[in-house]
Amino acid sequence: AQSVTQLDSHVSVSEGTPVLLRCNYSSSYSPSLFWYVQHPNKGLQLLLKYTSAATLVKGINGFEAEFKKSETSFHLTKPSAHMSDAAEYFCVVTPSSAGNNRKLIWGLGTSLAVNP
Amino acid sequence: GAGVSQSPRYKVAKRGQDVALRCDPISGHVSLFWYQQALGQGPEFLTYFQNEAQLDKSGLPSDRFFAERPEGSVSTLKIQRTQQEDSAVYLCASSLAASSYNEQFFGPGTRLTVL
Repeated sequence: AQSVTQLDSHVSVSEGTPVLLRCNYSSSYSPSLFWYVQHPNKGLQLLLKYTSAATLVKGINGFEAEFKKSETSFHLTKPSAHMSDAAEYFCVVTPSSAGNNRKLIWGLGTSLAVNP
Repeated sequence: GAGVSQSPRYKVAKRGQDVALRCDPISGHVSLFWYQQALGQGPEFLTYFQNEAQLDKSGLPSDRFFAERPEGSVSTLKIQRTQQEDSAVYLCASSLAASSYNEQFFGPGTRLTVL
C-alpha cells in the first residue's frame, strides 16, 4: 500500500528566504513521486516528478526535490521564495509498477504563505 | 482547446437533486481521471478511464455516483439524489498515455454545493 504524509499543514516564509516543504512516503513498490501546486481559483499544476532516474529533480519556477530512499522522503525546496509562490502544495505518490493501478495518492497539502 | 475544461464551474443543488458534471480532456489524451476534493483536503481518486473503458471505479463513494466516457473523449460524472456530504470540488484530469509516469493535466474543477 502507498501513503504520503506532508509534515506541515502551513508554512510561512519571508520573500527571498528559502522554502522547505516536507513530504514522507510509504510504498510497497518503487514509487513515482510528484509535487503539484494549486493556486487559488486555478487548476492543479505539476511542479516536478521523480520516476527512478536522477534522485535530485528540478522543476518549474526554481523548485527542486530530492528523493531519499533511506529516509523515505521527497522534500520540496526553493532557494529564494517569491510572492507568487504563495499557494497550496501537494505531494503525491503512485506505484511505478505496471498494471492498471493509475491512482495518485495525495497528501493533505501544505499551504505556503510568503510575507513581504 | 489548450487544456482540460470542466463545466459548469459552479453548481448549487438542492438535496435529492441529480447533477451532471462534464469534463473535456485535452484532445488525444488516453487517460481520464475524476477526483473529489473536499475543503482543506487533497484530491481523492474517484475513477479512471482508459479511452472509453472504465478500468477503476473503486473510489466512487456510493452507487449514487456514476461516470461515463462513451466515445473515449468527453466524460460525465453523474451524482444522483445528492446529499450534503457530496459538496466538494470535483476535478477532472487527463494524461497522454496510460503509464503512471505520465503527468496528469487538471481542469479548474466544478464546485458543487448541496443545500
